[in-house]
Amino acid sequence: SYELTQPPSVSVSPGQTARITCSGDALPKQYAYWYQQKPGQAPVLVIYKDSERPSGIPERFSGSSSGTTVTLTISGVQAEDEADYYCQSADSSGTYNVFGTGTKVTVL
Amino acid sequence: QVQLQESGPGLVKPSQTLSLTCTVSGGSISSGSYYWSWIRQPAGKGLEWIGRIYTSGSTNYNPSLKSRVTISVDTSKNQFSLKLSSVTAADTAVYYCARDSYGIAVAGPQPGAFDIWGQGTMVTVSS
Repeated sequence: SYELTQPPSVSVSPGQTARITCSGDALPKQYAYWYQQKPGQAPVLVIYKDSERPSGIPERFSGSSSGTTVTLTISGVQAEDEADYYCQSADSSGTYNVFGTGTKVTVL
Repeated sequence: QVQLQESGPGLVKPSQTLSLTCTVSGGSISSGSYYWSWIRQPAGKGLEWIGRIYTSGSTNYNPSLKSRVTISVDTSKNQFSLKLSSVTAADTAVYYCARDSYGIAVAGPQPGAFDIWGQGTMVTVSS
């Protein structure tokens, strides 16, 4: 089955930049989406269609794509950004959704 | 604005069928070209997409769960539902419903964003 691979954890000091990668063979063909999930809460969409930011999401969140890897960048990390982050896309058919393995971002 | 709310039993016995309903409020389930999905998350683990439905009744299911999953829609009640049969302890999870922007473009099917989520409901499979 198709998989999206993320690093298990990323640690960053306040004010620094956090980069979270997501790798998958079908990413050159399919859009990727990113979600932030805090403990006990439902996920929140922070990036859609690789690099678009929904209204209400701070500008410090950005997304990019290169080949089989997409990247979520959090610039000027704040304590409130500490959360789990998941990428989401689909297999090569575009029909079956897949979530990444998830990355825990720790703000030191 | 559109809100989603899951409801259903919090405890299901092994081998039985898990049944959940998602109620859409603040808008019609039939408005826009949205699909409606179910997603689950075992405690301490990642997210797993279960499947989606369109208001026409068209469905797509995660191949790993397809033999046990049925998703249906009731537009008159502004609801869609999940049934998962022959459950085991491995099906214990928080179950979310979400609005799904999946679409079929000229180039073919394209995944969409889950832009609105319910708060989630915990379902435990235990005797």
